[in-house]
Amino acid sequence: AQSVAQPEDQVNVAEGNPLTVKCTYSVSGNPYLFWYVQYPNRGLQFLLKYITGDNLVKGSYGFEAEFNKSQTSFHLKKPSALVSDSALYFCAVRGGQTGANNLFFGTGTRLTVIP
Amino acid sequence: DVKVTQSSRYLVKRTGEKVFLECVQDMDHENMFWYRQDPGLGLRLIYFSYDVKMKEKGDIPEGYSVSREKKERFSLILESASTNQTSMYLCASSLISRNTEAFFGQGTRLTVV
Repeated sequence: AQSVAQPEDQVNVAEGNPLTVKCTYSVSGNPYLFWYVQYPNRGLQFLLKYITGDNLVKGSYGFEAEFNKSQTSFHLKKPSALVSDSALYFCAVRGGQTGANNLFFGTGTRLTVIP
Repeated sequence: DVKVTQSSRYLVKRTGEKVFLECVQDMDHENMFWYRQDPGLGLRLIYFSYDVKMKEKGDIPEGYSVSREKKERFSLILESASTNQTSMYLCASSLISRNTEAFFGQGTRLTVV
């Protein structure tokens, strides 16, 4: 069975400080991992994905994520937070097995960047 | 750019009504999804479809059905709306490959009174 855990409901960070939003996953086979962001009353926007290769993935708006196979984690990071980064962030996973086409989401982490 | 369009942003329906939520995508994607989003529960998959007339149940299909008569359109149907179906509904589409991201519509906030 596939699953995603986002252990923090809320993350607060001061503007200019680095931020991390945590995600761990469970999946059969090789994982395909995704991060999305949601602004108020909007749909989800794709940020970045890990498919294979380099464990550090770079995405939109200066975000990056680090894939760690041994810890089954895929944490989202940004070196310097902006107030405009305040939003709801979702981690998602697809399994590597044939037929595992579903996209499973975590419960989301609300990021607040404090001016 | 990929565009996924949901027919309504806000919808208010009465208990017992039959409700149709429509979703259209313009990028010839094979996969289409319907999710429900509730605070603290994240996104939960209701149904998904990988081809015309094909559908598979997600985690919470009870009380819902879907229709995919054309590749670009995926409809979610609430057979008899209930107050516990008040929620944000999100439609998404993607290519068939598992390594591709999904693209989301803007969401429909449904209130059942």
